[in-house]
Amino acid sequence: GGIITQTPKFLIGQEGQKLTLKCQQNFNHDTMYWYRQDSGKGLRLIYYSITENDLQKGDLSEGYDASREKKSSFSLTVTSAQKNEMAVFLCASTQGDEQYFGPGTRLTVL
Amino acid sequence: TQTVSQSDAHVTVFEGDSVELRCNYSYGGSIYLSWYIQHHGRGLQFLLKYYSGNPVVQGVNGFEAEFSKSDSSFHLRKASVHWSDSAVYFCAVSAFAQGLTFGLGTRVSVFP
Repeated sequence: GGIITQTPKFLIGQEGQKLTLKCQQNFNHDTMYWYRQDSGKGLRLIYYSITENDLQKGDLSEGYDASREKKSSFSLTVTSAQKNEMAVFLCASTQGDEQYFGPGTRLTVL
Repeated sequence: TQTVSQSDAHVTVFEGDSVELRCNYSYGGSIYLSWYIQHHGRGLQFLLKYYSGNPVVQGVNGFEAEFSKSDSSFHLRKASVHWSDSAVYFCAVSAFAQGLTFGLGTRVSVFP
């Protein structure tokens, strides 16, 4: 079996700071995703990528950049962290219709 | 635009009871329907999916779901819950290889 690794597990930033979250998968999956999970709002798609160097915007892409440097990794950048922001960012990958999720990165902005 | 509605935010059951979690969706094209489970502090785990064929699909740990095109529904059921089934359950829809659209989730609390 494979695994999805997300780093860091916890991320604390300052307002206006640029923050980068990283995701690695060893499933050899083509497609990778970034979701944001807010309490009471479920999960919302930020970006996804169907292959290396491909990027597709999701419903929540404003305020974020993404980078698919290679097939196994997918990075997400918060371009300017918002004060009092708190959410969990989940990375996922898929080769078909079942998505495999990482454990998440919990972001807190002071 | 795809939308997913989970009508119950929180369900409380006793161990051994049956449970049904409701999911309704709206989408005009061919879609995948799926259910995911999230235990506290963990990532999401896949439970089951439907795309075509038999409208009743079996998943892991005794879960099953039934698709109804007429009701635009994909309800999840389990005949006898265990305390370890306490978690948040998410219904999701997607077109192939696109991102999932999730419902807000249903928290299931199982008491002994």
